[in-house]
Amino acid sequence: DIVMTQSPDSLAVSLGERATINCKSSQSVLYSSNNKNYLAWYQQKPGQPPKLLIYWASTRESGVPDRFSGSGSGTDFTLTISSLQAEDVAVYYCQQYYSTRVTFGQGTRLEIK
Amino acid sequence: QLQLQESGPGLVKPSETLSLTCTVSGGSISSSSYYWGWIRQPPGKGLEWIGSIYYSGSTYYNPSLKSRVTISVDTSKNQFSLKLSSVTAADTAVYYCARQRYQLPQPNWFDPWGQGTLVTVSS
Repeated sequence: DIVMTQSPDSLAVSLGERATINCKSSQSVLYSSNNKNYLAWYQQKPGQPPKLLIYWASTRESGVPDRFSGSGSGTDFTLTISSLQAEDVAVYYCQQYYSTRVTFGQGTRLEIK
Repeated sequence: QLQLQESGPGLVKPSETLSLTCTVSGGSISSSSYYWGWIRQPPGKGLEWIGSIYYSGSTYYNPSLKSRVTISVDTSKNQFSLKLSSVTAADTAVYYCARQRYQLPQPNWFDPWGQGTLVTVSS
């Protein structure tokens, strides 16, 4: 299986500041035939199901605020929230779909400092 | 707008079989663009993919659960189902169903998700 490792496990950021969450895969999730990274990001708020934020590593889902952005390629990826809002408090997960055996990162808890 | 709703017993005894159904509304489960998946989340922990099914019945399973899992689809009812046999306390979790985008060569991301249902394994 492709192991997804997120860092840090938890993060506290002040309102209006930048938040950065990292995700590393145990093998490349870049598909050479189409040059796409098979990686998604989700946000999960307490008591709610996960919500898709980003797919193909950097494509924002419709309706997701543009303060959320994804970057990276191969094995190293980043989710950035450019200016943290109170409603962004959540746990964030990355997921690879390069393999048919999809796997998730362990999650990063984002809080307000 | 597509919605998914999980249903089934909230309490299952150890060694028995957990059975859940996901009902899809606002869209057809027979779309060629999607797989349909099950994901679980133990209390306070992360997400674990269980398996996914296409409307044709083609399936992918998590190897760590494959010997105990069966996922089936009923296109006439717009539903898909999960059976997990020989459950233990370690199978206690919130179980989610979700639509999984399908672009060749394999299923991709999950969106949207159902609200989830807590299944507790206890005697």
